[in-house]
Amino acid sequence: KQEVTQIPAALSVPEGENLVLNCSFTDSAIYNLQWFRQDPGKGLTSLLLIQSSQREQTSGRLNASLDKSSGRSTLYIAASQPGDSATYLCAVITQGAQKLVFGQGTRLTINP
Amino acid sequence: DAGVIQSPRHEVTEMGQEVTLRCKPISGHNSLFWYRQTMMRGLELLIYFNNNVPIDDSGMPEDRFSAKMPNASFSTLKIQPSEPRDSAVYFCASSFLRGRGYTFGSGTRLTVV
Repeated sequence: KQEVTQIPAALSVPEGENLVLNCSFTDSAIYNLQWFRQDPGKGLTSLLLIQSSQREQTSGRLNASLDKSSGRSTLYIAASQPGDSATYLCAVITQGAQKLVFGQGTRLTINP
Repeated sequence: DAGVIQSPRHEVTEMGQEVTLRCKPISGHNSLFWYRQTMMRGLELLIYFNNNVPIDDSGMPEDRFSAKMPNASFSTLKIQPSEPRDSAVYFCASSFLRGRGYTFGSGTRLTVV
């Protein structure tokens, strides 16, 4: 059974810092991995989608990497801003399956 | 495209009442998913459909929960009778192909008192 873990559960940093959020998964036979952002009381917004054959994806100040063999992904946020404050969720689809399995998320606070 | 549309946004009901949550997926998407989010358990898949057919309902907590997808543009999740422990945010998501990623709706916040 696929399990996804995100560390840390919460992170608070001053504005302008570069930061890394971590995601690990127990079954390395994944189809793809997706990073989401969730603002308080809101839905999930897709940030980046990485296919199993890819090593990384970039969108603006965000860069997500994937190391399937070690069961890890990282989300790098450059030059953080207060507007980046949200919960970031990592989710994977295992080979042969169709459902997204989510981690518990990292609650990020960027202090002005 | 308006995205995945869920209604209502908020629902407060008394224990024992029937609750119906609604979802309109993105046009052209052929898979639809119902998730539930709680503080304790995070996001859990309840059921998903491919081409309007239920594929995996192993996440449905008990017989009080049922889901239907009568056509490609509409799905419902029904709870009858509702209980306080059903209080959560219920999300609907849709996708075209699993490799293209999933799009989530804004969710329905259900409170059962």
